[in-house]
Amino acid sequence: QVQLVQSGAEVKKPGASVKVSCKASGYTFTRYYIHWVRQAPGQGLEWMGIIDPSGGSPTYAQKFQVRVTMSRDTSTSTVYMEMSSLRSEDTAVYYCARSIAAAGSPDNWGQGTLVTVSS
Amino acid sequence: IVMTQTPLSLSVTPGQPASISCKSSQSLLHSDGETYLYWYLQKPGQPPQLLIYEVSNRFSGVPDRFSGSGSGTDFTLKISRVEAEDVGVYYCMQSIRLPYTFGQGTKLEIK
Repeated sequence: QVQLVQSGAEVKKPGASVKVSCKASGYTFTRYYIHWVRQAPGQGLEWMGIIDPSGGSPTYAQKFQVRVTMSRDTSTSTVYMEMSSLRSEDTAVYYCARSIAAAGSPDNWGQGTLVTVSS
Repeated sequence: IVMTQTPLSLSVTPGQPASISCKSSQSLLHSDGETYLYWYLQKPGQPPQLLIYEVSNRFSGVPDRFSGSGSGTDFTLKISRVEAEDVGVYYCMQSIRLPYTFGQGTKLEIK
């Protein structure tokens, strides 16, 4: 069955970086795009960007263009989301999710990774 | 594109219908003929799950009591008979224009 398994919770200090992984299984990794979406505590969903595991440059929401880097490792069917210069407002659950097309609906989601930014 | 949902919360008796509206600030109709509007349900402590894609298509395994309708900028999710398992927060989402955006969410509770 399709699974997106994310790395575990992280606690970081302001100004640090974090790298969250999303390992795919149960389908052909390169056939589906991976989105990253975050959710601050008690808040709604915020789309961050998308990466095509088969190649090409990721596309980021303008808000995240400077501080976020999405990458992939096809040998392990894993996508990564790295965020730098963390601030307290980045405290959130970060989700990866796949879609068959760039504009398609994310249909399977990872379990989420809580990133806490605190001094 | 700003997605505006109403109401932000609703309390429904089991067996009764429920309806959620989602309005977009721009048309979600693409030149390819598709309308890129989706509905998700996020149950407590879980990631979102896809209910409806491209306005009115139920995703695999979604009960037929869920239905979506609308066009252009106005969309509706309807639950014909609410069940206890339907509690959570419902979100609409657009993917016609970057950045993709979600509505604020509508919290469904059971009376």
